[in-house]
Amino acid sequence: GAVVSQHPSRVICKSGTSVKIECRSLDFQATTMFWYRQFPKKSLMLMATSNEGSKATYEQGVEKDKFLINHASLTLSTLTVTSAHPEDSSFYICSASQREPRDNEQFFGPGTRLTVL
Amino acid sequence: AQSVTQLDSHVSVSEGTPVLLRCNYSSSYSPSLFWYVQHPNKGLQLLLKYTSAATLVKGINGFEAEFKKSETSFHLTKPSAHMSDAAEYFCVVTGGYQKVTFGTGTKLQVIP
Repeated sequence: GAVVSQHPSRVICKSGTSVKIECRSLDFQATTMFWYRQFPKKSLMLMATSNEGSKATYEQGVEKDKFLINHASLTLSTLTVTSAHPEDSSFYICSASQREPRDNEQFFGPGTRLTVL
Repeated sequence: AQSVTQLDSHVSVSEGTPVLLRCNYSSSYSPSLFWYVQHPNKGLQLLLKYTSAATLVKGINGFEAEFKKSETSFHLTKPSAHMSDAAEYFCVVTGGYQKVTFGTGTKLQVIP
């Protein structure tokens, strides 16, 4: 149980275009979803936290107008990278925590590799 | 405030020898602590978690960790390393309001 999927797993796009990444909790209701970015050979950097039906909370230094997050339901959150540039190329990982048990465990998606040409 | 320190960025062991990956934390709340493993170009897999129950936690693939409040540590161990254990390991602490903090990671190399 507690499986999180991400789609697509890999995407290549041209500079200036927008890319949407989906994060789904497949077998549980996710009260909170998190979006992380991982640079090569680096740890994960939390970008934002989203709760279903409310606006996402962005970490300091993350542009909310560039990285649009929508948590439309208890099983789906989307991250849209708008007007992507090569420096946005990265590995994006989402995670979700479930309503019960409330032990703060996060279940991670497999990640999405974004390459902006 | 909370923080996680993984003391070693890189650990190298011979196959069949013990593994020790160190993690120290600080938290204003009663923390939950986790170890995740990440293989190259893959997502994160949960190895084990501590959530205020037993202080010695057993996880998958023979790994275990002991929560030591007095030392604010949560070191990851395995009695005998396997080649498939080579990966990046992250210690994670979560506290109030589900604030999540990742350690900087420890790359484990297993030498045949």
